[in-house]
Amino acid sequence: KAGVTQTPRYLIKTRGQQVTLSCSPISGHRSVSWYQQTPGQGLQFLFEYFSETQRNKGNFPGRFSGRQFSNSRSEMNVSTLELGDSALYLCASSWGLAGASEQFFGPGTRLTVL
Amino acid sequence: DQQVKQNSPSLSVQEGRISILNCDYTNSMFDYFLWYKKYPAEGPTFLISISSIKDKNEDGRFTVFLNKSAKHLSLHIVPSQPGDSAVYFCAAFGGSNYKLTFGKGTLLTVNP
Repeated sequence: KAGVTQTPRYLIKTRGQQVTLSCSPISGHRSVSWYQQTPGQGLQFLFEYFSETQRNKGNFPGRFSGRQFSNSRSEMNVSTLELGDSALYLCASSWGLAGASEQFFGPGTRLTVL
Repeated sequence: DQQVKQNSPSLSVQEGRISILNCDYTNSMFDYFLWYKKYPAEGPTFLISISSIKDKNEDGRFTVFLNKSAKHLSLHIVPSQPGDSAVYFCAAFGGSNYKLTFGKGTLLTVNP
């Protein structure tokens, strides 16, 4: 069974640009969650999508948005990039809601904002 | 407001000894706790979990202890191996928001 895949693996953008990250969950998984990992803050929850609906959202500004498609694939978008958005963005999938069922993480997308 | 706290950013132990990683939480509504391990350039992988109805769960070399009154959990690794060197994240779930809340992680280094 293929694991969670994230594309691209690495990305360099400049301030003010926007970026879209993609996540393909494990086949059969309906939940996709997104996390931001930075050295000082650990893993911070961005949002969770379940069956194409956003079920939960973390404390991030509206520049961070996401969506989920009918095949459970998910995209995350960050508009008007800031230097502080440089981080590892992790996607995790699970059969049920995150926390209630085991999450499987992808390798992440390393975003650098210059 | 950090609801899940891992106060030790790093821990170094000798191979064969016990590693103890600690985690504190503030939200009394949390009822399920998980530990994840993360190697560089990889996503976190699930290690072990514990429900609030238990106070101990074992899986091979890994044991998690939960002290609900102290809102504290710990992960014990015995014996520690160099391959255990990684960042360990504590996570908690429960309450009305149904989201998984992670701590900042502890970097464990096991020296041969």
